[in-house]
Amino acid sequence: GQNIDQPTEMTATEGAIVQINCTYQTSGFNGLFWYQQHAGEAPTFLSYNVLDGLEEKGRFSSFLSRSKGYSYLLLKELQMKDSASYLCAVLDSNYQLIWGAGTKLIIKP
Amino acid sequence: DGGITQSPKYLFRKEGQNVTLSCEQNLNHDAMYWYRQDPGQGLRLIYYSQIVNDFQKGDIAEGYSVSREKKESFPLTVTSAQKNPTAFYLCASSIDLEREQQYFGPGTRLTVT
Repeated sequence: GQNIDQPTEMTATEGAIVQINCTYQTSGFNGLFWYQQHAGEAPTFLSYNVLDGLEEKGRFSSFLSRSKGYSYLLLKELQMKDSASYLCAVLDSNYQLIWGAGTKLIIKP
Repeated sequence: DGGITQSPKYLFRKEGQNVTLSCEQNLNHDAMYWYRQDPGQGLRLIYYSQIVNDFQKGDIAEGYSVSREKKESFPLTVTSAQKNPTAFYLCASSIDLEREQQYFGPGTRLTVT
C-alpha cells in the first residue's frame, strides 16, 4: 500500500528553527509537495521537489532524498502566524496525490 | 481575481437528505478534484475530472456523485447513501492532471444530524 508518515504534532518557539520530516512509500514518484493549512482553511502551496536536494524559498526550505523516501520542511525565524498544519503529499506514478495526515505546528512566544 | 470558490462555508442537513456542494473556478484549469478531510487524517480523494463531461472515482467515491457539464464547475452531491457525511470538503483544480500544483477552494464544512 501507499503510505506517508509525518509527526502528528510539534512545538517550537518564536524566532527558532523547526524541521518537519516526511517519509513516504508510494507506487512511483513524480514529485513531493508541502502545503500549509491554517485551521478551518484551505491548504496553500509551499514547495515542490522532484529532484534530490534543497530548495530554498525565503524562510522556508524543503529537502528531498528520493533514494531514502524522505523529505523535510525547514522553517526559520518562526513567527506566530506559522502556527498551522503542514501537509506532505506525493504524486505517484498515476499522477495521483497521496497525502500525509499533516503535522500540527504550535509556536510558543 | 482568479481563484476557486466554494459555497456555502458551513452547511447543515438532516440525515437522509441529499445535498450538493458547489465548486467554481475561473483559472481555466482542465482538472478538478474533490477531497474530504477528517480530523487527524490526510485528504482523501472522492472524485476527479480531467475534462468536461468526464470524471473518475477516487478512493472514497461511495455515496457521492459529481457532474462536469462546464469547465468552470464541478459540483459534488453527498447522497443519503454516504454513511458518515459530516466532514470538511475541499475542491481543488490544476492546469491538468500531470501538472504539479493544485489550487484549493476555501472548503465547505458539512454537518449532518
